[in-house]
Order: sequence, then structure tokens, then C-alpha cells
Amino acid sequence: QKEVEQNSGPLSVPEGAIASLNCTYSDRGSQSFFWYRQYSGKSPELIMSIYSNGDKEDGRFTAQLNKASQYVSLLIRDSQPSDSATYLCAVIFNDYKLSFGAGTTVTVRA
Amino acid sequence: NAGVMQNPRHLVRRRGQEARLRCSPMKGHSHVYWYRQLPEEGLKFMVYLQKENIIDESGMPKERFSAEFPKEGPSILRIQQVVRGDSAAYFCASSPGQLNEAFFGQGTRLTVV
Repeated sequence: QKEVEQNSGPLSVPEGAIASLNCTYSDRGSQSFFWYRQYSGKSPELIMSIYSNGDKEDGRFTAQLNKASQYVSLLIRDSQPSDSATYLCAVIFNDYKLSFGAGTTVTVRA
Repeated sequence: NAGVMQNPRHLVRRRGQEARLRCSPMKGHSHVYWYRQLPEEGLKFMVYLQKENIIDESGMPKERFSAEFPKEGPSILRIQQVVRGDSAAYFCASSPGQLNEAFFGQGTRLTVV
């Protein structure tokens, strides 16, 4: 069974620190990888997409992909209280199904 | 460009009734995913559709649940003879292609009483 695994939370970081989120996936043929943010009671919001090995930066967010290790991560620099949310790793497997990890809840302490 | 539109936002049904959830994808998007989410739990894949075709329905319960995405109009998730256990948030997401980013609607919160 194809799976997406995320490091279990919750993750608590002080304001201004770096939050590091990790995700592994089981399907070596996967080509598309995403990070979504979900606030309590709201729908998931796409914050990063990455398709090739290496780093991709967008503002305070950096996604890292290593296809050989089947690993994708998200770094949040200069964490703010507004970053407190659940972060969902998502992968499109080679059967084109968009599958999600269970999520990691991040709390940024002011 | 309007985002993914879901309606209704909240739906209350008595046990045994039918629930119809609608999803209008973003303009230019021909792929739709449906997910179910229980409180404090993750997103569970239900079905993946492309215009007029069901691509993957491996997450759909075998009975009472069906989905369609007609050539014209929104995608519909239909739940017949609802039971209390169907109470959840149902989200749809749309995408322009099989490997592209998907964007979510605001969800429909179904409550079965």
C-alpha cells in the first residue's frame, strides 16, 4: 500500500526559530510533492510544490526533495504565531492519486 | 478567477436521507478529488475524477456513496441513506492536470442527526 508518513507532532517552536517538518513516501515513481497548511476548522491551503531534487525557496518557506531517499521536508524560517497550524505533506503517486500524510501540528510560542 | 466552490457549506440531514455535495472546480481545471476529514484526523482520499470519468474510486465505500463529474456542471458527491458515521467535513480539490497542484474548496460540513 502506498503511503505518506510525516513525523509525529505536535511541534512547538519559539517565535523566530526554524520549524523543520519531515515526510517520507513509499512510491519511488512519484513525481509531484506538495505542502499544505490547514488551520483549525478551515480547508487545506497550498503553500509549496516541488517536482525535482534539491531545494525550493518561497519567502520564509523552503521545501527540500530527495527522490533517492524518498524524502521531502519543509523548513519554516523566522516562525511567527500565525504559522501555528497543521502542515500536510502530499504526494501524487504514479497512479495519479493525490495522497496525504496525517499532518504535523506546529505551535509557535510568542 | 474564482476559486474552487463547494456548496452547501453546511448540510444537516436526518438518518436515511440523501446528501448531495457539489463542487465547481476552478476555471480550466478538469480534474477533481474528493476527501473526507473527521475532527482531529487527516484527509482520507475518496475518489479522483476527470471530466465524465472516474479515474480512481478506491477510497469510496462500496455502498451508498457515488460520485460524478459530468461534461457540464459541477462534480457531485452523493451519499444515500446517510448514517451518523457519515458526519464529517467533505473537501474537494481541483487541478488542471494529473501531476499538477490541486486547490481546495472551503468544504461541506455534513451533520447527520
